[in-house]
Amino acid sequence: AQSVTQLGSHVSVSEGALVLLRCNYSSSVPPYLFWYVQYPNQGLQLLLKYTSAATLVKGINGFEAEFKKSETSFHLTKPSAHMSDAAEYFCAVSDGNQGGKLIFGQGTELSVKP
Amino acid sequence: GAVVSQHPSWVICKSGTSVKIECRSLDFQATTMFWYRQFPKQSLMLMATSNEGSKATYEQGVEKDKFLINHASLTLSTLTVTSAHPEDSSFYICSARMTGFYEQYFGPGTRLTVT
Repeated sequence: AQSVTQLGSHVSVSEGALVLLRCNYSSSVPPYLFWYVQYPNQGLQLLLKYTSAATLVKGINGFEAEFKKSETSFHLTKPSAHMSDAAEYFCAVSDGNQGGKLIFGQGTELSVKP
Repeated sequence: GAVVSQHPSWVICKSGTSVKIECRSLDFQATTMFWYRQFPKQSLMLMATSNEGSKATYEQGVEKDKFLINHASLTLSTLTVTSAHPEDSSFYICSARMTGFYEQYFGPGTRLTVT
């Protein structure tokens, strides 16, 4: 069975600082991995996806993530945090089967201090 | 591209009544749509998966007679909460997936309050 673990339910950074949100996955088959962002009272927006092409994936809003098979990780980073990055971030995995279901992590709330 | 809409964005209903929530893919055909429920400060809980023209597949513990899902076309899925009770109050989010792709595109969500 697949699973996703996001380390840290809450991360706080200063504006301009590096953002690092951690995600580890468990999958018996090559996974498809995703990062989504959710602003209060809104749906989820796809930030980026890994689908077995390049291991370093660039997404929207300056975010990127690196797939590391040996570490079963897919951490999300952004070099310089902006106030508008404050939101909830979800890591998700799909094995491409089971009708394309996504398994979500618990979420990480990112706060950005001025 | 890949826009998903939901209607209504919020609804208040009385206990015992039914509520229908619509999910539409506006600029693509969605062979598969998903319905999630989200409690405050929690992750998404998958309720069911629906494929166009087929019966929905419900996750364990989700009452199929209470949460009726219909996926009548490649751009529309509906969730009907029947005989709603206060414990059904929640944020309901739908998503849609295109054939051959594994990412899901999410609607803005519907806040349901049952009084």
